[in-house]
Amino acid sequence: AQSVTQPDIHITVSEGASLELRCNYSYGATPYLFWYVQSPGQGLQLLLKYFSGDTLVQGIKGFEAEFKRSQSSFNLRKPSVHWSDAAEYFCAVAQRDNFNKFYFGSGTKLNVKP
Amino acid sequence: NAGVTQTPKFRVLKTGQSMTLLCAQDMNHEYMYWYRQDPGMGLRLIHYSVGEGTTAKGEVPDGYNVSRLKKQNFLLGLESAAPSQTSVYFCASSSGQGTQPQHFGDGTRLSIL
Repeated sequence: AQSVTQPDIHITVSEGASLELRCNYSYGATPYLFWYVQSPGQGLQLLLKYFSGDTLVQGIKGFEAEFKRSQSSFNLRKPSVHWSDAAEYFCAVAQRDNFNKFYFGSGTKLNVKP
Repeated sequence: NAGVTQTPKFRVLKTGQSMTLLCAQDMNHEYMYWYRQDPGMGLRLIHYSVGEGTTAKGEVPDGYNVSRLKKQNFLLGLESAAPSQTSVYFCASSSGQGTQPQHFGDGTRLSIL
């Protein structure tokens, strides 16, 4: 069975500091990879996605993520965090042979200190 | 620009009561999904549909039923609500075209007493 692991439940960073959120997946082949963000009381919004090609992908709001096949990882980064980035972030994977099968990590809550 | 709309946004039920959650999308998407979100567990797929008139089980289907009578609507039913079904429910839709992502509604917060 597939699994998605986000090892950090909560992360606190100072505004202006850099950010890296970790995501590891377990799957026999390279899946489709996504990062979503959820603000309080809201649904999930897609930040970025990886399907193939360049392993460094750019997303909205200044986020980027790097796919590392050897580590089965898809970590999310931002060079300078803004207070408005405080939210919960979810990594998700989808099987290439069954795109309906979406698996989400348990999420990482980001707090931003002024 | 509605996207995916879920109704109601909040609901409190007593154990044993029934209810239906409605999801409507205006993007002409073929695929629709129902998830539940519980603290520390991310989102888990309950049921999904790949087109009008079709439904399929996801990861945690027990205690729920769904119907997709119209392409734009996907209904989630609880026939006899249980406290374990207290959760936040999210509906999502996608075009199902290869690599297209899912679009989410704002969620329904359901409490079962």
